Amino acid sequence: QVQLVESGGGVVQPGVSLRLSCAASEFIFSRYGMHWVRQAPGKGLEWVALISYDGSKRYYADSVKGRFTISRDNSKNTLYMHMNSLRVEDTAVYYCANDLWQFCTIPSCFLMDVWGQGTTVTVSS
Amino acid sequence: QSVLTQAPSTSGTPGQRVTISCSGTSSNIGSNYVHWYQQLPGTAPKLLIYRSNQRPSGVPDRFSGSKSGTSASLAISGLRSEDEADYYCATWDDSLSAWVFGGGTKMTVL
Repeated sequence: QVQLVESGGGVVQPGVSLRLSCAASEFIFSRYGMHWVRQAPGKGLEWVALISYDGSKRYYADSVKGRFTISRDNSKNTLYMHMNSLRVEDTAVYYCANDLWQFCTIPSCFLMDVWGQGTTVTVSS
Repeated sequence: QSVLTQAPSTSGTPGQRVTISCSGTSSNIGSNYVHWYQQLPGTAPKLLIYRSNQRPSGVPDRFSGSKSGTSASLAISGLRSEDEADYYCATWDDSLSAWVFGGGTKMTVL
């Protein structure tokens, strides 16, 4: 059973940086692309970023492009999201999710399958 | 404002068949598969339908999906109280080079 456990959330002031982690287990992490999706309080889902299984492809939502960086360490089975210049509107629960299929490199293949339970980021002065 | 358009809420009675619609454009639904997620209260989303009409293992066949042109639908037949949840459509947008979600539809079982 795929397990994804997010961590690194917290309460921070606008403008600061934060790094989220997603520890993966019970599947071959290095074969699957990974995603970050967020959900602001009382709002819907917003896709944030994805990274291919080997890190060669990365895509971002316009709302975070240039501020957030998705990365992965396949030797540690861990996904990361480096968040810089945080804004109040970045306040959300951040979920990581793995791809449904292995070895995806084209957009039509990437698809969020299993999701973690999320970590909460609150940006407030 | 979400790129994909869904009605904010809908409702039905137990045993009823209900549908949830998702409207997009030629750059997203019109040229890519649509996927559906179910989010039960207080939990993480779960993949419900992928590639417009495929069900992951474990998803009851009461749930079905379809797509036509730039719109897609999720149908739930034999509605049950445990189907009370938020439902989101999602797809890749070629113009944005990004995944996009609908705003979500809250299903209430009366």
